[in-house]
Amino acid sequence: RKEVEQDPGPFNVPEGATVAFNCTYSNSASQSFFWYRQDCRKEPKLLMSVYSSGNEDGRFTAQLNRASQYISLLIRDSKLSDSATYLCVVLDGSGNTGKLIFGQGTTLQVKP
Amino acid sequence: NAGVMQNPRHLVRRRGQEARLRCSPMKGHSHVYWYRQLPEEGLKFMVYLQKENIIDESGMPKERFSAEFPKEGPSILRIQQVVRGDSAAYFCASSPASGGFLGAFGQYFGPGTRLTVT
Repeated sequence: RKEVEQDPGPFNVPEGATVAFNCTYSNSASQSFFWYRQDCRKEPKLLMSVYSSGNEDGRFTAQLNRASQYISLLIRDSKLSDSATYLCVVLDGSGNTGKLIFGQGTTLQVKP
Repeated sequence: NAGVMQNPRHLVRRRGQEARLRCSPMKGHSHVYWYRQLPEEGLKFMVYLQKENIIDESGMPKERFSAEFPKEGPSILRIQQVVRGDSAAYFCASSPASGGFLGAFGQYFGPGTRLTVT
């Protein structure tokens, strides 16, 4: 079983649509979770951290369910510029280093 | 404040040659991570270094790969006798702290080096 699993997609949605991505992780000791964005195989960039209470940043909402070891990202009112690969990322369970464990990514294509 | 710098951005090597990838962390960052992204796959952790020390190399292939982060100068990822399967994007990240949330949250990625082995 992969440490972090995502549906690779692609998700093809029209502008203005709401889209949700899901992710599961295997190590129950993991403490910190993130969503990154990667454009055209460029470097990944931090989109947002994910907290148990849920957190929102503009059109983006992230949720964490520790009991189910499940993370989600919701994008509302999709823009063409949201087209990218979204990476679910978990900080290594030991927490002693900043080692990040990446999912394979979910590709989003927003169409006019 | 310049970001994480990697060079070269693109590197072509023939099978059996050596590849040297360089990473200069952000100013003030003394922690460096190397990740590899194979075609159509996610990023995979390779090694974590602090100045003059390898802290965690659990993701490094056992042979042909080595990394260093000297007291002065950039971090170097070295691949000896490259094979076609080494073709990938290699990303370096740096952070100002070692572990925990800040070690992860404060990581900034460089633009990557794309290695092609012919």
